[in-house]
Amino acid sequence: AQSVTQLDSQVPVFEEAPVELRCNYSSSVSVYLFWYVQYPNQGLQLLLKYLSGSTLVKGINGFEAEFNKSQTSFHLRKPSVHISDTAEYFCAVSVDNDMRFGAGTRLTVKP
Amino acid sequence: SAVISQKPSRDICQRGTSLTIQCQVDSQVTMMFWYRQQPGQSLTLIATANQGSEATYESGFVIDKFPISRPNLTFSTLTVSNMSPEDSSIYLCSAGLGGGYEQYFGPGTRLTVT
Repeated sequence: AQSVTQLDSQVPVFEEAPVELRCNYSSSVSVYLFWYVQYPNQGLQLLLKYLSGSTLVKGINGFEAEFNKSQTSFHLRKPSVHISDTAEYFCAVSVDNDMRFGAGTRLTVKP
Repeated sequence: SAVISQKPSRDICQRGTSLTIQCQVDSQVTMMFWYRQQPGQSLTLIATANQGSEATYESGFVIDKFPISRPNLTFSTLTVSNMSPEDSSIYLCSAGLGGGYEQYFGPGTRLTVT
């Protein structure tokens, strides 16, 4: 079965700095990849997804991610973060309707 | 995309009682999913609910404890039965689009068992 590893449990950054949240996956077959964001006391909101095509995908709120098949990675990036980006971010991999989530990365943006 | 609503948003329940959580989708979907998110943890799949068939439960979850209904293509319920404090979690439902591989989530139900 597929699995996801989020390499950083916590990422503190200053406002307007760039950020990268790392995600690696393992699977023996082709996968679909997702990043979700969870704000405090809320459900999960889809940030972006890779299904096929261009390996660079753009999502909401200025986030983007790059699918790297050779490195089995799907890192999330934002060139300049805001205080409002403080949240928990989950990477997920889906194979045959079976979605698995990483442990999550807590992004904290400091003023 | 899809818009999913859940009721209740939160509840405090006594040990030994049961709570039924409702999940409503704004469009017809074949696959719906129920997850548990324990405090500070990631999501764990409880079961997959397809309309017209019995729910499929993941290892560690049983129908007697978490009965699920899926009466139509826009609605599902999850019951947490005979609750104990260990059941205190956030319960999330999701709708599967694009054949089920893409999921949209509801806001969750925050359950506290005392």
